[in-house]
Amino acid sequence: QLQLQESGSGLVKPSQTLSLTCAVSGGSISSDAYSWNWIRQPPGKGLEWIGYIYHSGNTYYNPSLKSRVTISIDRSKNQFSLNLSSVTAADTAVYYCARGEGPWGQGTLVTVSS
Amino acid sequence: DIQMTQSPSSLSASVGDRVTITCRASQSISSYLNWYQQKPGKAPKLLIYAASSLQSGVPSTFSGSGSGTDFTLTISSLQPEDFATYYCQQSYSTPITFGQGTRLEIK
Repeated sequence: QLQLQESGSGLVKPSQTLSLTCAVSGGSISSDAYSWNWIRQPPGKGLEWIGYIYHSGNTYYNPSLKSRVTISIDRSKNQFSLNLSSVTAADTAVYYCARGEGPWGQGTLVTVSS
Repeated sequence: DIQMTQSPSSLSASVGDRVTITCRASQSISSYLNWYQQKPGKAPKLLIYAASSLQSGVPSTFSGSGSGTDFTLTISSLQPEDFATYYCQQSYSTPITFGQGTRLEIK
């Protein structure tokens, strides 16, 4: 059964870069049949798609975040990563990774605060 | 961007009730519509994909319909574990967008 697990810093200072990794187990990330996604949810609010990457390395980002987002893939480690630069308090959210429509990881809360 | 609008935003119902949630897209998305259930503190769980296909392991009390711009999620007989927030999502074009959510509460 495919499982995804987010990891990374839970506290990031304003203007710094948020970095998260999604480890994939129970299946291979090396399949272009699926997109590998990052989604976030500010506390008490709805869901916002950040972007996705394919096995080929092709990426698609939400235009609202495009200038600050980088998603990369590490096939050797069966994982993919998110970098979000120049963060502000508005980037405080639970960050989820997901394969296509599912499954999703359990999510990790990232707080932006000095 | 394609805007997804859900209605109602919140809903009170009783165990055993039949409930329908609607989702409208700002332009045609064919059948590229997914439904998710989210419980507090948990990740969203896929219920329905491609507008009407039931995800494996999801009870048959859940069903989806629609195409183009108008979609519905129906729960035929509410169970206690169904009280949650429901989101629609379009995967027709990037950026992928979600509805604002429908909170289903116990009456």
